[in-house]
Amino acid sequence: ETGVTQSPTHLIKTRGQQVTLRCSSQSGHNTVSWYQQALGQGPQFIFQYYREEENGRGNFPPRFSGLQFPNYSSELNVNALELDDSALYLCASWGGGETYNEQFFGPGTRLTVL
Amino acid sequence: GQNIDQPTEMTATEGAIVQINCTYQTSGFNGLFWYQQHAGEAPTFLSYNVLDGLEEKGRFSSFLSRSKGYSYLLLKELQMKDSASYLCAVRDNAGNMLTFGGGTRLMVKP
Repeated sequence: ETGVTQSPTHLIKTRGQQVTLRCSSQSGHNTVSWYQQALGQGPQFIFQYYREEENGRGNFPPRFSGLQFPNYSSELNVNALELDDSALYLCASWGGGETYNEQFFGPGTRLTVL
Repeated sequence: GQNIDQPTEMTATEGAIVQINCTYQTSGFNGLFWYQQHAGEAPTFLSYNVLDGLEEKGRFSSFLSRSKGYSYLLLKELQMKDSASYLCAVRDNAGNMLTFGGGTRLMVKP
């Protein structure tokens, strides 16, 4: 059971700009999480959405925001980009049924901030 | 808050057994997860433990002791393709957040 997709694959922005990253999870997967993964480190939880409402947030400033849509797609928006925002951004959805305790990750978007 | 510790790097020989340890200190606990991540790829789910004991799945097993805040991932009959990072993660009580450790990079040598 896979099927989490993300776009774009790679992105280059300059400091101060804004960026929107997109994710599409599998039908029926109502919960989506976003993570930031710096090189050589584990993923850091940004926030989670359940049925279009944010229901959990990690230690990230308000310039990181998100949206979830009824069609199981979601967005991560980052305003006022900083150099330290350069990372791999991962979207993940929790499965259903037998895979209820499995979180399926998308391939990620590699963001570079110059 | 959550604090997850695991070794940064490990090296093992093809065909051998390796154990990757993970210790955690958390304000809440609703399950411990292990993921495998090959370089440049997304993490893939390996195992989930919420009760004490051993969960076995093919060549991979995962153990949990909640009283000790301790887990390990055991990989048997190592293959070259097992060279990857292994991530330990703990879910909070509300089930809304996974906190990951820094990952253990495993190198399997011939």
